[in-house]
Amino acid sequence: GAVVSQHPSRVICKSGTSVKIECRSLDFQATTMFWYRQFPKQSLMLMATSNEGSKATYEQGVEKDKFLINHASLTLSTLTVTSAHPEDSSFYICSATQVGSGSTDTQYFGPGTRLTVL
Amino acid sequence: QKEVEQDPGPLSVPEGAIVSLNCTYSNSAFQYFMWYRQYSRKGPELLMYTYSSGNKEDGRFTAQVDKSSKYISLFIRDSQPSDSATYLCAMAGNQFYFGTGTSLTVIP
Repeated sequence: GAVVSQHPSRVICKSGTSVKIECRSLDFQATTMFWYRQFPKQSLMLMATSNEGSKATYEQGVEKDKFLINHASLTLSTLTVTSAHPEDSSFYICSATQVGSGSTDTQYFGPGTRLTVL
Repeated sequence: QKEVEQDPGPLSVPEGAIVSLNCTYSNSAFQYFMWYRQYSRKGPELLMYTYSSGNKEDGRFTAQVDKSSKYISLFIRDSQPSDSATYLCAMAGNQFYFGTGTSLTVIP
């Protein structure tokens, strides 16, 4: 089946630094990629929807200048957390939908990246 | 063995039917269990969220968790055409795992 990878799986950084998280579809082309975050003991929350070659659509309350999303190719989307602060510590998950799949709603999720900001 | 198994369907039912959606899992450390609904070309939205075992009801939706069997279910009563969507189960312990989704169509 389709596989989505994320890198890194875990990152610890100092407050004020920027962190980039990569999301790759390994064996398929992804029309759309989604970015989510999850706080401890809370459910998943959609941050933004990213279409290849166009600007990401951010959900209400998500700062687009803080969470930079680039979807440069059909297999790669990146999320950059700029000037990270401890409150940005969270579990970030991406997902991807497959171009030309039998079901356009089929969505494949990455394993997640745990970000800890000290 | 996958962490989470979900039958992709598609599932097609007449309006008014009771729908049963299920997932099985292998990791006994999972404690949080969720169901998401995703309409075509939209991101998933959270439907139900359950901690540990038991049932939870919200309107026409009921979520059940059976940790002894490692099995979770979502029931939709009096299904409506507007319920046509893909339903994803998700569960978490130290990591977050999703099912691949079940495509549901409710026929008027």
